[in-house]
Amino acid sequence: DIVMTQTPLSLSITPGQPASISCKSSQSLLRSSDGKTSLYWYLQKPGQSPHLLMYDVFKRFSGVPERFSGSGSGTDFTLKISRVEAEDVGIYYCMQSIQPSSITFGQGTRLEIK
Amino acid sequence: QVQLVESGGGVVQPGMSLRLSCAASGFTFNNYAMHWVRQAPGKGLEWVALLSYDGNDKFYADSVKGRFTISRDDSRDTLYLQMSSLRPEDTAVYYCTRECRGWYPCYWGQGTVVTVAS
Repeated sequence: DIVMTQTPLSLSITPGQPASISCKSSQSLLRSSDGKTSLYWYLQKPGQSPHLLMYDVFKRFSGVPERFSGSGSGTDFTLKISRVEAEDVGIYYCMQSIQPSSITFGQGTRLEIK
Repeated sequence: QVQLVESGGGVVQPGMSLRLSCAASGFTFNNYAMHWVRQAPGKGLEWVALLSYDGNDKFYADSVKGRFTISRDDSRDTLYLQMSSLRPEDTAVYYCTRECRGWYPCYWGQGTVVTVAS
């Protein structure tokens, strides 16, 4: 199985400041079939189901604010929030699905507001 | 809009069986692959199973392989997860999710709670 490792595991950010979460995979997530990369980001707000933030590394899902951005390639990926807002509190997960028989999530990164 | 409503959770003893259901609406159900993802109390997300849009491809996490079966009834727009030989470590919130063209969960239900305890 592909192991997804997130760092840090927790963040405490002042509103208006940037935040960055790293996600590293144990194998490349580049799909040779179409050149896309199977790396996704989800946010689980307190008491809620997870929801999709980013797909194919850098594409924002419908309704996701522009302050969220994704980058990276191969095995190293980053989710950035340009200016953290109070509503961004929750646990962020990266996930890979390059192998549909073995989809894996990172451990999660908890974001709290200072 | 896309809606996924899970049901069927409950408290069961180890070794027993349970069937979860997920009623889908707001989209053409038989056009999309579906997943089950679970979250044990205080823990992270764990992918459980994936079923292709046509039902021909099924994939399972090693932790549930041979015990859980994912299926769909397109006439009822419903996804199922038949769970047998349940273990205490299967205790979790189980989420039904729909893909968005790429084997990744895109839309999520609210979850149903399964507790396996004696």
